[in-house]
Amino acid sequence: AQTVTQSQPEMSVQEAETVTLSCTYDTSESDYYLFWYKQPPSRQMILVIRQEAYKQQNATENRFSVNFQKAAKSFSLKISDSQLGDAAMYFCAYRSGAGSQGNLIFGKGTKLSVKP
Amino acid sequence: ETGVTQTPRHLVMGMTNKKSLKCEQHLGHNAMYWYKQSAKKPLELMFVYSLEERVENNSVPSRFSPECPNSSHLFLHLHTLQPEDSALYLCASSQGTGGAEYFGPGTRLLVL
Repeated sequence: AQTVTQSQPEMSVQEAETVTLSCTYDTSESDYYLFWYKQPPSRQMILVIRQEAYKQQNATENRFSVNFQKAAKSFSLKISDSQLGDAAMYFCAYRSGAGSQGNLIFGKGTKLSVKP
Repeated sequence: ETGVTQTPRHLVMGMTNKKSLKCEQHLGHNAMYWYKQSAKKPLELMFVYSLEERVENNSVPSRFSPECPNSSHLFLHLHTLQPEDSALYLCASSQGTGGAEYFGPGTRLLVL
């Protein structure tokens, strides 16, 4: 069975600085998808970034980028120029690429605080 | 309305009540999900519907009963709940293999 591990329960970053959130996963599959979701205090789960395992290029979305290391099964999220609005729980998630409807498997989350 | 909507946003119910949570997606997706999020726990997948057929039921107690009348609507019928069922219930939808799930704002449920 696939698992997703986020080893940092909490992280803190100074406004305008850069922070990296860690995520590792375990799978025997070669075809899969990885995601980062953000859940602010409003509790709305928001998709931040998506990565297809077959793509070597790291996904980027404005200030958010990932470092995808397939061999190491690592999928870290880098937030550049951190803003106060980035404060939230961040969840790493995995979805199998096989079959018709693999559901998301979530990590336990990392709580990010942004200091002004 | 755009995206995924959920009603009600907040619900307080007694253990003998019957209530329903509603989810609607306006994204043309073909799969819908119910998740439970309790304090300090990872998200727990409860039910998955693909093309209106239930494809997963993660050992959820029978006091939770899902219904998917069409690809845009998903319900979670609640009856004789327990206080430990108090949680945030999130609905999500996605399209096809590898599709990202888009979440609704959730229903915060309190069982007294």
